[in-house]
Amino acid sequence: DTAVSQTPKYLVTQMGNDKSIKCEQNLGHDTMYWYKQDSKKFLKIMFSYNNKELIINETVPNRFSPKSPDKAHLNLHINSLELGDSAVYFCASSQVGLMGGGGNIQYFGAGTRLSVL
Amino acid sequence: AQSVTQLDSQVPVFEEAPVELRCNYSSSVSVYLFWYVQYPNQGLQLLLKYLSGSTLVKGINGFEAEFNKSQTSFHLRKPSVHISDTAEYFCAVTPRAGNKLTFGGGTRVLVKP
Repeated sequence: DTAVSQTPKYLVTQMGNDKSIKCEQNLGHDTMYWYKQDSKKFLKIMFSYNNKELIINETVPNRFSPKSPDKAHLNLHINSLELGDSAVYFCASSQVGLMGGGGNIQYFGAGTRLSVL
Repeated sequence: AQSVTQLDSQVPVFEEAPVELRCNYSSSVSVYLFWYVQYPNQGLQLLLKYLSGSTLVKGINGFEAEFNKSQTSFHLRKPSVHISDTAEYFCAVTPRAGNKLTFGGGTRVLVKP
């Protein structure tokens, strides 16, 4: 059983389209994240949800909207896709708990490679 | 805010030779440190982490890293690499009071036979 699973693995679409990427974790963690990895492999956090509440919201265009229906799922919806959105998007999860400690390991999904044509 | 610098973008190394990947960080608060590995077309996997205690930490697959507070470094080493160690390696930090991971730019290790 995959701990953090993302779908789809590959997504090829035209500019201007709207698309969603889904993420599910079966680790019982309370916190989930979305990261973007660009063509130079640089990884940057986009969003984080703790128990369905948005706690990290980096400088990301508002065309990107995360949605967490429950603490095991964090989906990423992207409107009006642009060429610059082409990247690999990673979902991750960790157990942060009440103390909010940063020492907890984040477990990553295999990534979704988005290509905007 | 935190920042992480990985000084080498690419490290070619022969099989069975040692390898060291350098990582320096900057932070105004205390941090936890991590090394992650990304094999081709896969997600990130934790190699090791430093939270407190002994500054030499051992991880999976024979890797180890040493935390040096005065030099704000967390270099990763392996005494003898295998072809299967070919991957991208990322150093990362998170503030002790938070959970936001900041990554370095990555170091690509290419192990040659």
